[in-house]
This record gives sequence, structure tokens and C-alpha cells, in this order.
Amino acid sequence: GAGVSQSPSNKVTEKGKDVELRCDPISGHTALYWYRQSLGQGLEFLIYFQGNSAPDKSGLPSDRFSAERTGGSVSTLTIQRTQQEDSAVYLCASSLEGLNTEAFFGQGTRLTVV
Amino acid sequence: AQSVTQPDIHITVSEGASLELRCNYSYGATPYLFWYVQSPGQGLQLLLKYFSGDTLVQGIKGFEAEFKRSQSSFNLRKPSVHWSDAAEYFCAVGAKNQGGKLIFGQGTELSVKP
Repeated sequence: GAGVSQSPSNKVTEKGKDVELRCDPISGHTALYWYRQSLGQGLEFLIYFQGNSAPDKSGLPSDRFSAERTGGSVSTLTIQRTQQEDSAVYLCASSLEGLNTEAFFGQGTRLTVV
Repeated sequence: AQSVTQPDIHITVSEGASLELRCNYSYGATPYLFWYVQSPGQGLQLLLKYFSGDTLVQGIKGFEAEFKRSQSSFNLRKPSVHWSDAAEYFCAVGAKNQGGKLIFGQGTELSVKP
């Protein structure tokens, strides 16, 4: 596709369940980012991939959060044992090379933990 | 620690009036500075960016921003606001040696009166 694609667009899950959020970056983009947007917290950086490696995962809030990227393309953000405070919009972005090239954002996945 | 402050949570301007959205940053190195816009139900879109050189940068949709190192500011301006500019605006800072990580401000919501 032409842009960054995220799925699902909405996810409602019960507290304690695991969830997987998917991001399909723009073809050819080597850099991929995950951010979280929640009320009162604004946009928080979670993790950055360059290719399949994650040189910066400093924003992951706890060990319940993990992410991987395969084939230098698709990325999956996994949240284990979800908590209500995990409710937020999870945004993925990709760029051609890194910070000096424009990052394009997906529409996000709205996660609601009930 | 890096931080970005957008002092105005919500601004209302009349259509046709000029606009200035404030952004102050705290960063030890030379920053890369960005303004993004998020319309309801839409992803984040890059308006403009500053890396180096001319401190007045032009962006899309008639926006411009000026980097003032002495004031640690990167304010966004538009001479004449259109109703379609109503959206949330985010200032962000990054650095070349930080890979792709962006630190975002809390955002300023812009409303436009007819």
C-alpha cells in the first residue's frame, strides 16, 4: 500500500489477556517506530527499529511490552497480561533511513482494556 | 533530559486571523525540530522540520516556523488561518545520534471560529 498500515484499527481486550498489534511500514523504509498516544500523556516513544534491530527500546514501559520486526518489514508489538493503563492509541511510523528522513505515521490501533 | 513544552493546550482563532503556536524545548545537543498536525480520525502529518541552516523554515499548507536558539523555541506561524486548519498540533524534537526517537510536546488543539 501507499502508506503505513496498522491492524487492527480497534481492539477491545479483557484485563490479563495478551494482545498483538501489527504494523506494515511503507515498502523500502528501513526505520520503524512505535509510539503510544494516551490522554494526559501525549505521544510517548516506545521503540525504534533500524532494519530488524532495535537500537533504542528505552520507551517500553515494562517487560510486559515487546516488539519484533521481521524481514526488515512488518513489525508486531505485543503486550502481555494487559492492564487498564495500557489503554491508548498505538501509533506506528516508518521512514526511509532514520530521523533525517520524513516519518510517515499510520492511523493507529486503539486499544481498550476492560 | 530532553523535553518539549507547548504552553497552550487549546487556542481559538477567527478564520482569517494570524496564528502562532508556541513550542519550547530542552535539549543538550543541536536539535532536530518538527511540527506535526493531527486532524480528527487522521494520522500525524509532518508540516515542517528544521535540521540546520536558515532558521525560518517553510512548510506545507502555508505554515512556517522559526528556530530561535537563544530562546530554545520553535514557534509555528500562519498569516491567515482557514477553517480546515482546526486540528491538534504537535511539536517534536530529536537528534541525529538518537536514531529515530522523537520527543513530543503535549499538543495544542486549534479551534477556528467562522
